[in-house]
Amino acid sequence: QQKVQQSPESLSVPEGGMASLNCTSSDRNFQYFWWYRQHSGEGPKALMSIFSDGDKKEGRFTAHLNKASLHVSLHIRDSQPSDSALYFCAVSELGGSALGRLHFGAGTQLIVIP
Amino acid sequence: NSKVIQTPRYLVKGQGQKAKMRCIPEKGHPVVFWYQQNKNNEFKFLINFQNQEVLQQIDMTEKRFSAECPSNSPCSLEIQSSEAGDSALYLCASSLGGLNQDTQYFGPGTRLLVL
Repeated sequence: QQKVQQSPESLSVPEGGMASLNCTSSDRNFQYFWWYRQHSGEGPKALMSIFSDGDKKEGRFTAHLNKASLHVSLHIRDSQPSDSALYFCAVSELGGSALGRLHFGAGTQLIVIP
Repeated sequence: NSKVIQTPRYLVKGQGQKAKMRCIPEKGHPVVFWYQQNKNNEFKFLINFQNQEVLQQIDMTEKRFSAECPSNSPCSLEIQSSEAGDSALYLCASSLGGLNQDTQYFGPGTRLLVL
């Protein structure tokens, strides 16, 4: 069973615009969230993690977590062509039994149009 | 920027051949993970280590793969008898700890093509 659902599958935004990506965990045991970005031909790069309700901002990236609904969003303001990539949401399990194993969503392909 | 090193970047093997790939984790990271990313960009966890000890592995890894993280040497993942379905990007990641809140940092991957 897929533990992480992401939407949309793909997204096009103009350069300088705002991109908004969504992620939901289907299992209440999985509440630690990460956003990763993967450019073509590279490995995933961690953008940010979020574990508590509310917003977390890092530069142009803002994540928002609602633990009641297990929904997290990622907002990229002032999008740049270099932001064009696959964005993955990943979750890990509460407690220590899973030993850090991540479960990834299917990804959102972001295209920033110059 | 992540400093996880993976070699080789590309690997081409025939069916039934062994395929071996290596990973040097970030300095000071005792926990190493291997994931498989298929052509549909789906990730599959394979195995993880803390120092030299296996923490978890899935059935497929247990049966057809061998993996190790020896002291003072690169970690390695080897497919004993490659199958067409093994064609994928193999990603190594490392983290400071095995806790579920520790960020994993990925290398560039080894892209395996099984002909």
